[in-house]
Amino acid sequence: DGGITQSPKYLFRKEGQNVTLSCEQNLNHDAMYWYRQDPGQGLRLIYYSQIVNDFQKGDIAEGYSVSREKKESFPLTVTSAQKNPTAFYLCASSIGSGLYTFGSGTRLTVV
Amino acid sequence: AQSVTQPDIHITVSEGASLELRCNYSYGATPYLFWYVQSPGQGLQLLLKYFSGDTLVQGIKGFEAEFKRSQSSFNLRKPSVHWSDAAEYFCAVQGTGFQKLVFGTGTRLLVSP
Repeated sequence: DGGITQSPKYLFRKEGQNVTLSCEQNLNHDAMYWYRQDPGQGLRLIYYSQIVNDFQKGDIAEGYSVSREKKESFPLTVTSAQKNPTAFYLCASSIGSGLYTFGSGTRLTVV
Repeated sequence: AQSVTQPDIHITVSEGASLELRCNYSYGATPYLFWYVQSPGQGLQLLLKYFSGDTLVQGIKGFEAEFKRSQSSFNLRKPSVHWSDAAEYFCAVQGTGFQKLVFGTGTRLLVSP
């Protein structure tokens, strides 16, 4: 079945560490997105990519980085510059504009 | 830029009662409108969408929503709520062309016996 796989489901980060969240899709979608979800704030866009080797900052890109070397993959790195990284991270994909398919999320906790 | 307001943070409904979740949007033209549902610790599932045409749209799980241009609203309704409907519901708006999907802050639905 086609879909989006996010891994790991739970991730723990020490202060000052960089961590990378994986997002893989086999839907042949061109566009991919990363959202951050905090209680009471809805989903906020971190980065998005419309095509391979190209990506744009979303509303809260500071402290995050991404790459899009393959159509299927859009990993997100949470760097030590992100001062409050504890959150639920959701990856999504779409065929250009229109309907989004979401992964099941990664919960990141700073310890 | 488009924006979405969901004025109700929490709503509690008795099982079997009707439900209406409110959503207001801001956008200069007619946007694409969506309702998503999220169970705890899970991703989002699309309930229904409005692109154009009939302003009353039907979705999965017995949900429907009505687009009212004059009120800039896209409220979600269900005639009879089931305990399994307890979840968080997000309204989202997207402008035409390739534009970002913008979400509201969500409404958490609690279903009482």
